[in-house]
Amino acid sequence: QKEVEQDPGPLSVPEGAIVSLNCTYSNSAFQYFMWYRQYSRKGPELLMYTYSSGNKEDGRFTAQVDKSSKYISLFIRDSQPSDSATYLCAMDEGGSEKLVFGKGTKLTVNP
Amino acid sequence: EAQVTQNPRYLITVTGKKLTVTCSQNMNHEYMSWYRQDPGLGLRQIYYSMNVEVTDKGDVPEGYKVSRKEKRNFPLILESPSPNQTSLYFCASSFGGGFYGYTFGSGTRLTVV
Repeated sequence: QKEVEQDPGPLSVPEGAIVSLNCTYSNSAFQYFMWYRQYSRKGPELLMYTYSSGNKEDGRFTAQVDKSSKYISLFIRDSQPSDSATYLCAMDEGGSEKLVFGKGTKLTVNP
Repeated sequence: EAQVTQNPRYLITVTGKKLTVTCSQNMNHEYMSWYRQDPGLGLRQIYYSMNVEVTDKGDVPEGYKVSRKEKRNFPLILESPSPNQTSLYFCASSFGGGFYGYTFGSGTRLTVV
């Protein structure tokens, strides 16, 4: 089993839809969980981060972590065409340099 | 503007010809890292550095070298490139590691023929 699993999609939704993106992981030592967004021909950019279990909200974005299930999610409300990108989950054991990424989910939001 | 600058953006080279991809950051970050991104494999860490003169291997270090002589620079060296090193490369830097978020460069698309 890979350390981090992420459904690559692609995922296509209409504008205004609620989007759910997910990752599962196997390393119980992971404590910090992040979501990066990568637009075409660009480097990834940090979207949200969460420490341990719980929810975090930032505007239209909500990140959830369930450590008991080793499962993390990113929800996008009222999705916009500008949200079209590849979303990568990432995690590490404790503010370290050893960041492990999922393979990314490609999202397209259609006007 | 706070940024990570990689050069070149695009490079086509021949097998065995040594090359260097430069990376520079202007944020005084301690942590720097190199990744390669391949279809179906995602982002994989090549090397990382926690400070000047401190470097260590990531998950796929074979065929690569790095150095960190100055805080701002972290070049990636391919001594004898091979076609399996054809990939999209990203340099990234961070204040304190993954939790603080890495700032990525715009990428270098390398083709080895």
